[in-house]
This record gives sequence, structure tokens and C-alpha cells, in this order.
Amino acid sequence: EAQVTQNPRYLITVTGKKLTVTCSQNMNHEYMSWYRQDPGLGLRQIYYSMNVEVTDKGDVPEGYKVSRKEKRNFPLILESPSPNQTSLYFCASSLVGTNYEQYFGPGTRLTVT
Amino acid sequence: AQKITQTQPGMFVQEKEAVTLDCTYDTSDQSYGLFWYKQPSSGEMIFLIYQGSYDEQNATEGRYSLNFQKARKSANLVISASQLGDSAMYFCAMRERYRDDKIIFGKGTRLHILP
Repeated sequence: EAQVTQNPRYLITVTGKKLTVTCSQNMNHEYMSWYRQDPGLGLRQIYYSMNVEVTDKGDVPEGYKVSRKEKRNFPLILESPSPNQTSLYFCASSLVGTNYEQYFGPGTRLTVT
Repeated sequence: AQKITQTQPGMFVQEKEAVTLDCTYDTSDQSYGLFWYKQPSSGEMIFLIYQGSYDEQNATEGRYSLNFQKARKSANLVISASQLGDSAMYFCAMRERYRDDKIIFGKGTRLHILP
């Protein structure tokens, strides 16, 4: 089954404790992206990658890191999480090009206390 | 600057009526794609419909159609014969070629279908 998986689905952590949210896709997509969703703000792109070893900043990259060492994986790293990073995070993948829709993971609900 | 504008934070519509969700966009690129996604209360993101900037016909997918007015930079989603299961959050999104495939979402419209 074609899918994007994220882990963990739920995470409660404390300020400053490094964490990684994993994302994996099995559709051989070149393009992968991370979003955060906050009430009233819609989805905002954090980072995206158009292929292995290629990453670019989205609109809200501060406080986040990503890496793309393999085509299928695109982990999101919060080196020192803060409460303002409490949010719902989505990973998505697609083919490269303006005419391709994205396939989304189920989301990760992160709470930073 | 806001590149995707969804002016209706919330809407209430009677079941079986048609509903139009507004989306306007801003781009100087000639090549771009416009997308609508649905997010039910369960939280997953579901792709509904796509319109390309060079497409001359409005896109349709079952009960969904996209009213694309390029000169006005609008890409409204039309849902015909609404159903209770259409109650959800709806997001408009744009993908621009010259911005290296960066993707911008609107803030969404929460649609409530009334029985």
C-alpha cells in the first residue's frame, strides 16, 4: 500500500530535550516536505527536499533541522524544542512538478512543556 | 505577503445544497498548480482536486469542481449536493515552478453541513 508514515504519532516532551520525528514514504517520490499546522494559520511549510542531499527552507524553518540521506526518509529534528513548537506536524511526499498532489502522513501531535 | 487567501473561516450549509469555497492566490509565475485538500475531524489530509495554470477547462472530480478564473486569480472549490460527510476543514494550496516547487497553503475554511 502506498503510504507516508510518521513516528511517533503523539509526543509530549520538555523544553530543550532534542527529538526527532521520522518520516518515510514507499512511493519513490523525489519531493518530501514538512509542515506544521496551527489553529487559524493553516499549514506552513517548514522544510522541503527535492531529492537526496537537497533540502530547502520553507516559510518557518527556525528551530528545525532536516536531512535527506535516503530517498524514502526525511526526518525532522528539533535540537532544542520550545513551547512555541507545540503543534501538529505533517510530512508529505510527491513527485517533483507543479501538477502533482502531495501524499500526507497521518500527522504527529507534539506538545512541548 | 499572503499568497493564498481563503476569506471564509467558517461556513454553514444545508445538506444537499451546493457550496462554494473561495480561494484567491497571488503569483507572478506563469506555471503553477492549484490544489484543494480536505481535512476531516479525524485529522488526515485528503487530496480532492487539481487545476493547472495552463488548463483551459475547469477541473472536475465527481461532486467536486474547481471554478478557475485565471485573470482574477481565483480558484474556488464547488461541492455539489453536499453531504454530512463533507463537514471538514478545506485548504487551498499553490505550487509554483519558479519558487523551486515551494508549496503555500491557505488558512482554511471550516465547512459545516447541517442535516
